[in-house]
Amino acid sequence: SAVISQKPSRDICQRGTSLTIQCQVDSQVTMMFWYRQQPGQSLTLIATANQGSEATYESGFVIDKFPISRPNLTFSTLTVSNMSPEDSSIYLCSALTGTSVNEQYFGPGTRLTVT
Amino acid sequence: AQSVAQPEDQVNVAEGNPLTVKCTYSVSGNPYLFWYVQYPNRGLQFLLKYITGDNLVKGSYGFEAEFNKSQTSFHLKKPSALVSDSALYFCAVRDRRGNNRLAFGKGNQVVVIP
Repeated sequence: SAVISQKPSRDICQRGTSLTIQCQVDSQVTMMFWYRQQPGQSLTLIATANQGSEATYESGFVIDKFPISRPNLTFSTLTVSNMSPEDSSIYLCSALTGTSVNEQYFGPGTRLTVT
Repeated sequence: AQSVAQPEDQVNVAEGNPLTVKCTYSVSGNPYLFWYVQYPNRGLQFLLKYITGDNLVKGSYGFEAEFNKSQTSFHLKKPSALVSDSALYFCAVRDRRGNNRLAFGKGNQVVVIP
């Protein structure tokens, strides 16, 4: 199993600013992911965070808006850049240990409100 | 690409009655299937998964799910619901031949009425 922590747990930000969310896993994991969960909706995959290389982004998400780092096997950051109210959402970090037969673990989320 | 459908928005059930949350999936190959639960202001918690073998899988908190290949379904069940089961439930699928992406359904709000 893996225990995932995220910082901050919540934040209120002004339009046009940026916020970096940190994700720490208590053990080495195979893959790390970032999801967005908008109010009352399901989880949407933003990107897969690759260690030591550029993240793999899903359709509709770009690096300039959501730069991601993963410097080692247990840590990743997601930055939400040039924020607008439409970016208000819960951002979830997730990790996969081992192979694809395994369940993913999720952090508690970062609740972002953009005013 | 894989996808999941959870047809109901909300499931209301009286405490002590059986609980069913429906899920159907679509993948190009064979699926890995998962159920997660989300309590208010908390992250997702893993409940159970189907990988291979017995079509009936048992998970945490008395939940179980039945894999039906012909109907491409993976419904979540609990014989006797508790008020504490009130939460948001997500079905998810991963294609065995895919890229480890996990696709989620829209979620079902379960309300257990005392």
